[in-house]
Amino acid sequence: DTAVSQTPKYLVTQMGNDKSIKCEQNLGHDTMYWYKQDSKKFLKIMFSYNNKELIINETVPNRFSPKSPDKAHLNLHINSLELGDSAVYFCASSQFTGRGGTDTQYFGPGTRLTVL
Amino acid sequence: AQSVTQPDIHITVSEGASLELRCNYSYGATPYLFWYVQSPGQGLQLLLKYFSGDTLVQGIKGFEAEFKRSQSSFNLRKPSVHWSDAAEYFCAVVWGFKTIFGAGTRLFVKA
Repeated sequence: DTAVSQTPKYLVTQMGNDKSIKCEQNLGHDTMYWYKQDSKKFLKIMFSYNNKELIINETVPNRFSPKSPDKAHLNLHINSLELGDSAVYFCASSQFTGRGGTDTQYFGPGTRLTVL
Repeated sequence: AQSVTQPDIHITVSEGASLELRCNYSYGATPYLFWYVQSPGQGLQLLLKYFSGDTLVQGIKGFEAEFKRSQSSFNLRKPSVHWSDAAEYFCAVVWGFKTIFGAGTRLFVKA
C-alpha cells in the first residue's frame, strides 16, 4: 500500500488555467505539507497543516489555496496558472512529536506541473 | 534567520571510496536534524535523523551522520560508496512545524 499518494503524476496546462493536485496519506499522521521543487532541485515548503488547521503559509501567492478536508487529505488548488508555477510539487506527511517538532516526513511521488 | 547550508552543489567519488557530505545550520537551539535522499523522478526518503542523545547516528544503506553542536553541523558519511548511491542528498532541520531543506548535494559515482 502506498503511504503518501498524489494525483495526477503529470499535469500539463495553459497559462491562466486553474488546476488541482490531490494528496492522501494512510499513515495516520497528523501533519501534512506541500513543497515546491524547482528545476534546480531546491525544495521549498509552501504550506503545513496540523489536524486540518493551517500552521505554516510561507508567503505563497494567494493563487495557491490548500484545503484539508480531513487529516488524511491535503489538496492544492492553483488559480490563474503562470509560467513560473512550473515545478514538481510534493506532498508529505509526518507526526508531531509534541516536543521539538515533527518526526520523519514521508513524501509522495510528486506531481510535475508544466505551464505552457 | 534560520538557514541550512550544504556547501557542495555536487560531489564525484569513485565506487568504493569514502564519502562525506556537509551540512551546517543556523538556529538558536538544536533543532531536529534529518538527511534525505532523492533518486531521479522520485520523492525523498529518510536516511537518518537526530533528535537528541548520542551524536553519532546510524541510518539505512550504511550511512551515518555526526552532530557537532559547537560547529552547528550534521555531516553525512559513508565508508564505501556504491554506484547505487548516486542521487541527490538533502539535509533538513525541523523545529515546531517548520522545515528548512538545504539546497541539496548531487552525488556522482564513477566506476
